Amino acid sequence: DAKTTQPNSMESNEEEPVHLPCNHSTISGTDYIHWYRQLPSQGPEYVIHGLTSNVNNRMASLAIAEDRKSSTLILHRATLRDAAVYYCILSDPYAGGTSYGKLTFGQGTILTVHP
Amino acid sequence: NAGVTQTPKFQVLKTGQSMTLQCAQDMNHNSMYWYRQDPGMGLRLIYYSASEGTTDKGEVPNGYNVSRLNKREFSLRLESAAPSQTSVYFCASSEGGMRYGYTFGSGTRLTVV
Repeated sequence: DAKTTQPNSMESNEEEPVHLPCNHSTISGTDYIHWYRQLPSQGPEYVIHGLTSNVNNRMASLAIAEDRKSSTLILHRATLRDAAVYYCILSDPYAGGTSYGKLTFGQGTILTVHP
Repeated sequence: NAGVTQTPKFQVLKTGQSMTLQCAQDMNHNSMYWYRQDPGMGLRLIYYSASEGTTDKGEVPNGYNVSRLNKREFSLRLESAAPSQTSVYFCASSEGGMRYGYTFGSGTRLTVV
């Protein structure tokens, strides 16, 4: 499995933008880049995903480097509710067998948001 | 709210007891999944159902069985619970495969004593 590397923790102030980096130097051409977050005692929550182009949705933006070896999740205005563990995950849509549906969650980045 | 509903939220079992974890989604998703999350470890895939009528093993299927009852429901059964199955179990669904985001339930916290 291609691996991702994220900082262990980051801090932000409320209403400021947050840029969460992710390195994935061994990404394959078919791997999608997914971001999920998990609040304490809750299930993971889908944030955004993309393949090659930058993506925007109501929650965040995903900026993907031209060589696809890194990406950045952008929260435009952090709120206290955004405090969570953020996971950057690579997924292969063509994987079968025991790798099908396999979201490999690493340690993620713990985001702390200060009032 | 639309999403994935898991029951029960908490359960304590004695070693050797059996139980079924229930999962239902109302988003008309094709694929459903069962994961477990242990402290200090990421989520691990137990079983999945790519579409109604099919089920397949994931990374850690031993000790579990599943049933895709219909398009909405996907249950996970522990036939003879063991302490090693103490974990938080998450059900998830998606349109299908890894091109789409997953929606997760809020989890079932299972303790086997």
